[in-house]
Amino acid sequence: DAGITQSPRHKVTETGTPVTLRCHQTENHRYMYWYRQDPGHGLRLIHYSYGVKDTDKGEVSDGYSVSRSKTEDFLLTLESATSSQTSVYFCAITSGTGSRAEADTQYFGPGTRLTVL
Amino acid sequence: SQQGEEDPQALSIQEGENATMNCSYKTSINNLQWYRQNSGRGLVHLILIRSNEREKHSGRLRVTLDTSKKSSSLLITASRAADTASYFCATSNSGGSNYKLTFGKGTLLTVNP
Repeated sequence: DAGITQSPRHKVTETGTPVTLRCHQTENHRYMYWYRQDPGHGLRLIHYSYGVKDTDKGEVSDGYSVSRSKTEDFLLTLESATSSQTSVYFCAITSGTGSRAEADTQYFGPGTRLTVL
Repeated sequence: SQQGEEDPQALSIQEGENATMNCSYKTSINNLQWYRQNSGRGLVHLILIRSNEREKHSGRLRVTLDTSKKSSSLLITASRAADTASYFCATSNSGGSNYKLTFGKGTLLTVNP
């Protein structure tokens, strides 16, 4: 496996509480991504980062914020968790060093299962 | 919104048989990738095919790409029980933001021993 860890791996929280998920990589890759995976929807991009302090929204970014203060860490925060955010969250990385301006192979972390009661 | 759409949603075969999964997409792409996900695990990259390629092989995997039909297929030959997993196609869309992939909803493959 690529050097990607996610923490926590499982979390149960209550509606209205803030939650932060952490993605840590040891590959020094430039690009990092947060996805959520739900039955019937596949993987959907929440936010991604193309460098330290450089982030952008994905297709399902409402209710989520991210931060990247170091190359190796990408944090996903649910500012006030709702039951609709119950999901499995995956972090992914890619080097982005290819000469072509196109998405390259992504390497995924093991996932965080979040339950919001 | 989803770019890739896999077909079928679920496929059940016997060990030793071949498995074929299809992916259709809507907009022009730079490349198309296939990933595998075992239950409860993260996705693992299988193969990448670029828009100017028509076929690629990797071990027991064969991927084809038909850009005129906006479709791709993944063939797994001589399947094994260990191939049981969900398979996703993902597209890198030309003209969009670089380095983003759009995933389909996946095909669940069950290989019976």
